[in-house]
Amino acid sequence: SQTIHQWPATLVQPVGSPLSLECTVEGTSNPNLYWYRQAAGRGLQLLFYSVGIGQISSEVPQNLSASRPQDRQFILSSKKLLLSDSGFYLCAWSPLLNTEAFFGQGTRLTVV
Amino acid sequence: AQSVAQPEDQVNVAEGNPLTVKCTYSVSGNPYLFWYVQYPNRGLQFLLKYITGDNLVKGSYGFEAEFNKSQTSFHLKKPSALVSDSALYFCAVRAARGYQKVTFGTGTKLQVIP
Repeated sequence: SQTIHQWPATLVQPVGSPLSLECTVEGTSNPNLYWYRQAAGRGLQLLFYSVGIGQISSEVPQNLSASRPQDRQFILSSKKLLLSDSGFYLCAWSPLLNTEAFFGQGTRLTVV
Repeated sequence: AQSVAQPEDQVNVAEGNPLTVKCTYSVSGNPYLFWYVQYPNRGLQFLLKYITGDNLVKGSYGFEAEFNKSQTSFHLKKPSALVSDSALYFCAVRAARGYQKVTFGTGTKLQVIP
């Protein structure tokens, strides 16, 4: 069966520091991968999605970037964190683009 | 532009009673519709989807949802609520045609009272 791993679960980082969140999927090949951010309210905002290695689509301009160095690995990065980057970050995968998605456990990022 | 509305910020229901969490949508053409559940500090879990076919869709944990095209609704239902069903529920939609991104609603908090 397919599983998705996302780490770390929580992270506290100072303003201006770099960020790297990693997500890996097991048990499937060529998944569609997504990074979402969930703000303190509830809404889910799609940040990036990827249909294949090295193929990244950005949904909103921001301080973050994403990379997909391997088929089942998706990384969310920032060179310099802002206070506004705080939130709950969710990685997800789907077998087909924009069908039902399966989410990781999330990373609670607090920028201080 | 496509959109999803979950008109109730919170729904309270007594344990053992039926529950309904409402969702209406707006999309160009036919929709693909999804329900997810989120427990505190966890990722979303997929519950069920409507793609085509029978308007009544059955999903995980005894949940079901009814697609109503004329009312553009996809309400989530369960005949008998459990305390463990207390969580945040998200409805999502995308247009069936082409590679459209999924739009999520803002979520409805379900509180099942013992």
